[in-house]
Amino acid sequence: DADVTQTPRNRITKTGKRIMLECSQTKGHDRMYWYRQDPGLGLRLIYYSFDVKDINKGEISDGYSVSRQAQAKFSLSLESAIPNQTALYFCATSDPGGEETQYFGPGTRLLVL
Amino acid sequence: AQSVTQPDIHITVSEGASLELRCNYSYGATPYLFWYVQSPGQGLQLLLKYFSGDTLVQGIKGFEAEFKRSQSSFNLRKPSVHWSDAAEYFCAVVRYNNNDMRFGAGTRLTVKP
Repeated sequence: DADVTQTPRNRITKTGKRIMLECSQTKGHDRMYWYRQDPGLGLRLIYYSFDVKDINKGEISDGYSVSRQAQAKFSLSLESAIPNQTALYFCATSDPGGEETQYFGPGTRLLVL
Repeated sequence: AQSVTQPDIHITVSEGASLELRCNYSYGATPYLFWYVQSPGQGLQLLLKYFSGDTLVQGIKGFEAEFKRSQSSFNLRKPSVHWSDAAEYFCAVVRYNNNDMRFGAGTRLTVKP
């Protein structure tokens, strides 16, 4: 079984809809991250969490919110989706003692019409 | 602010030929350096990383990378490319205990038969 899983893997939604992307991990890591990937831009950090009570904004947090329901679960929400949020979204985890190495999920491909 | 530059958007090499993918970073101190690979439809897989010590690091799948402080570079190399190496490659940097990992825009590798 994969260590970092994301659901759904693909999603199509309409402008203005609220949507949630979910991430679960079995690695036992405290730190979790959400990134978006756009062609030609690489990955950009949206939010990250060091533990259940800790949430931090990343480089591009506007239009997004997150929830850390448990050590193993970190959800990303788009409160009112817009077309320029069409992207590939990745969840990642890391261990504070793991030399900053991040482990990535398979990604969620989101299309906002 | 730290940044990562991958000058080559797309590289094509013949199977069996050598490969070098370039990565330059802009940062005030030596960060932690990573190379990730993303196969089509997949998440990111860690190839190798550099934190300190020997500036030539070995990774998985026969890849290696050399850190050159004077050039702020961390180029990825492989002596003989296989068709299965066709993928997108990302260089990333992060400061110790900062968790703000920055990615380059990626280099797409095509392997010709």
